Amino acid sequence: KQEVTQIPAALSVPEGENLVLNCSFTDSAIYNLQWFRQDPGKGLTSLLLIQSSQREQTSGRLNASLDKSSGRSTLYIAASQPGDSATYLCAAPEGGATNKLIFGTGTLLAVQP
Amino acid sequence: DAGVIQSPRHEVTEMGQEVTLRCKPISGHDYLFWYRQTMMRGLELLIYFNNNVPIDDSGMPEDRFSAKMPNASFSTLKIQPSEPRDSAVYFCASSEGANNEKLFFGSGTQLSVL
Repeated sequence: KQEVTQIPAALSVPEGENLVLNCSFTDSAIYNLQWFRQDPGKGLTSLLLIQSSQREQTSGRLNASLDKSSGRSTLYIAASQPGDSATYLCAAPEGGATNKLIFGTGTLLAVQP
Repeated sequence: DAGVIQSPRHEVTEMGQEVTLRCKPISGHDYLFWYRQTMMRGLELLIYFNNNVPIDDSGMPEDRFSAKMPNASFSTLKIQPSEPRDSAVYFCASSEGANNEKLFFGSGTQLSVL
């Protein structure tokens, strides 16, 4: 059974700092992994989708990496801004060819101006 | 496209009442998902549909919960009778194809059962 863990649970950084959010998963038989952002009182927005054949995916100041062998993914945010403040969640399929995503509990990020 | 549309945005009801949550997925998306989010349990998948057919309902907590998708543009999640422990945010999401394409979420329905 897939379990997804995110560390840290909360993070506060000053504006401009580079930061890394961590995600680990127990079942490495996944064909992709997604990172989402959730603002308070809102739904989730998909940020990056990494296929198992890829090692990383980039969008603007965001870079996500995937290491299936170690069961880890990281989300790197460069030059953080107050607008980046949100909860970031990663999600991995339960295993094999399934559309059932298992979500981590998220990292609450606060970027101080 | 307007994205995934959910209604109502907020629902307050009394224990024992029937609650119906509604969702309109993005046009052309073949997959529709219902999630529940609570502080204690995080995001949990309740059920998902492919081409209007329920594929996996193993996350539906009990028989009080039911979901339907009568056509490609509409789905409902019904709770009858509702209980205070059902209080949560319920999200609907849709994706274009198989193999977990990007998921697009609605804004959610905040349900409070008194």
